[in-house]
Amino acid sequence: NAGVTQTPKFQVLKTGQSMTLQCAQDMNHNSMYWYRQDPGMGLRLIYYSASEGTTDKGEVPNGYNVSRLNKREFSLRLESAAPSQTSVYFCASSETGNYGYTFGSGTRLTVV
Amino acid sequence: SQQGEEDPQALSIQEGENATMNCSYKTSINNLQWYRQNSGRGLVHLILIRSNEREKHSGRLRVTLDTSKKSSSLLITASRAADTASYFCATDETGGFKTIFGAGTRLFVKA
Repeated sequence: NAGVTQTPKFQVLKTGQSMTLQCAQDMNHNSMYWYRQDPGMGLRLIYYSASEGTTDKGEVPNGYNVSRLNKREFSLRLESAAPSQTSVYFCASSETGNYGYTFGSGTRLTVV
Repeated sequence: SQQGEEDPQALSIQEGENATMNCSYKTSINNLQWYRQNSGRGLVHLILIRSNEREKHSGRLRVTLDTSKKSSSLLITASRAADTASYFCATDETGGFKTIFGAGTRLFVKA
């Protein structure tokens, strides 16, 4: 099925551990995004990539790094996980000019 | 900081009734979008309205935009239990690149 695929769907980490969240889209979109969603809040932008080869910080980038591996893939890395990073993470993609985002189904991350 | 703020935070209605959700924002925008999120799932794009448009329809959805008041509304007519979800507005700021999401309205439609 066409769309945005995120892996893993669930993850539990211990404080200080590292991990990479994977995201791939097959719609040939130029732009990709990582958001986090916390209870009672909207989505907050962590990082985005306007096009292959570029990445920029969003609203809450501290503690995260990203890699736009190619046009299809955009990964999010937590180098040293903290309990404050417990959240649901969503990857999204869009065409340039943003006619609407396509979201993945999310990764539920718990840091203990 | 959040650009869009939805009102109400939660809404409970009977099946068949209409549901209206409002969104206010703070800066000039290129467009405004509405998304739906079912529990435990990703967001699904519903409709996009551009800053030079005042009203847009898609099936049972009607969206209005008032740029002078910096507000938008989403109307779902003849609601169904399957419409139970959270609804988010999102704005693209003029001159900006990122889309900013509000905190959402939780809609519960009782069968």
